[in-house]
Amino acid sequence: DGGITQSPKYLFRKEGQNVTLSCEQNLNHDAMYWYRQDPGQGLRLIYYSQIVNDFQKGDIAEGYSVSREKKESFPLTVTSAQKNPTAFYLCASSLQGQGREAFFGQGTRLTVV
Amino acid sequence: GQSLEQPSEVTAVEGAIVQINCTYQTSGFYGLSWYQQHDGGAPTFLSYNALDGLEETGRFSSFLSRSDSYGYLLLQELQMKDSASYFCALTVIKAAGNKLTFGGGTRVLVKP
Repeated sequence: DGGITQSPKYLFRKEGQNVTLSCEQNLNHDAMYWYRQDPGQGLRLIYYSQIVNDFQKGDIAEGYSVSREKKESFPLTVTSAQKNPTAFYLCASSLQGQGREAFFGQGTRLTVV
Repeated sequence: GQSLEQPSEVTAVEGAIVQINCTYQTSGFYGLSWYQQHDGGAPTFLSYNALDGLEETGRFSSFLSRSDSYGYLLLQELQMKDSASYFCALTVIKAAGNKLTFGGGTRVLVKP
């Protein structure tokens, strides 16, 4: 079955450590996105990518980094520079073009202690 | 940048109709989408408006007015399973690729 997979579902890290969240899709989508969601809040865009080896900063990119070496994969690294990393992270993908439906992974809940 | 404003919460009873408004500020966008998210889950796509007017998909309808920078999602014949958060989202035209930006979400609580 085609879909978008995030792993792990829950992640615990110590403060000061970098951590990488995985996002893989087999939908042959060009566009991929990373969002952060805090309790009771909306989705805030961290990074997005339309093609391999290219990505753009979203609205809250500070303290995060990404790579897009393959079309299927768009990992997100939460660095120690991110001041408040505990959150729910959602990855999404879509076809290129106007208003295409975005498909979301099930999310990774990151807790930094 | 872009901004989207939605009411934070709406409460209604089963069988009722709920309208969730979304006002936005942006320049150069393709259209307005709506997503549903149940607690702890992933957002799922509901509808998309590229042109002004009403789009109907079953019990859900969405409306867009570009001249008023305004849209809404209409939920009809409310069911308990409709209790969720609803987000409007803009697909914004950017040279480096389309940017999908979400509003803060409206929590809908359906009561028996």
